[in-house]
Amino acid sequence: DAKTTQPNSMESNEEEPVHLPCNHSTISGTDYIHWYRQLPSQGPEYVIHGLTSNVNNRMASLAIAEDRKSSTLILHRATLRDAAVYYCILEGIYGGSQGNLIFGKGTKLSVKP
Amino acid sequence: DAGVIQSPRHEVTEMGQEVTLRCKPISGHNSLFWYRQTMMRGLELLIYFNNNVPIDDSGMPEDRFSAKMPNASFSTLKIQPSEPRDSAVYFCASSHRSSVVSGANVLTFGAGSRLTVL
Repeated sequence: DAKTTQPNSMESNEEEPVHLPCNHSTISGTDYIHWYRQLPSQGPEYVIHGLTSNVNNRMASLAIAEDRKSSTLILHRATLRDAAVYYCILEGIYGGSQGNLIFGKGTKLSVKP
Repeated sequence: DAGVIQSPRHEVTEMGQEVTLRCKPISGHNSLFWYRQTMMRGLELLIYFNNNVPIDDSGMPEDRFSAKMPNASFSTLKIQPSEPRDSAVYFCASSHRSSVVSGANVLTFGAGSRLTVL
């Protein structure tokens, strides 16, 4: 399975933008890039996904590098409720990894008031 | 929709006892996943069903673990006999996947079942 690398932790101030990086240098051309987050004592929650182009939704934006070897999840204005562990995951659509989302350690985001 | 429903939310049992965790996926979803989360190992994928058929059970730790999906609206994860090292939060997730290469697989997770084996 293709692997992702994320910082263990990051800090942000409330109301400021947050850029969460993810490296995935072994990504294949057909792998989707997913982001999920897990709030304390809850199950993981879908945030956003993309393939090649940048994506926006009501929760966040996903910026994908041109070579697709890295991506950045952007929270435009962090709130205290955004404090969570953020997971960057690759999903292959062929072979044994199709449909499987394998979670790594993620980045623990702390938001200061 | 009520989302993915898991039961029980909390279970405390003694070593050697049988444990059954239950999951009701979102109506219309055709893929179902069981994950386990511990502090040491993080989130681990245990097994994955598509259209009620187990596709990948390579993450199931050992023969003490078994999972079934008798119909599209119900799945169970059974541990028999349970051991203290099975203590974890077990998550069920579901998704709709119209075909293998139709697009990204977006999962909706349940709230989890916290298992403590004494």
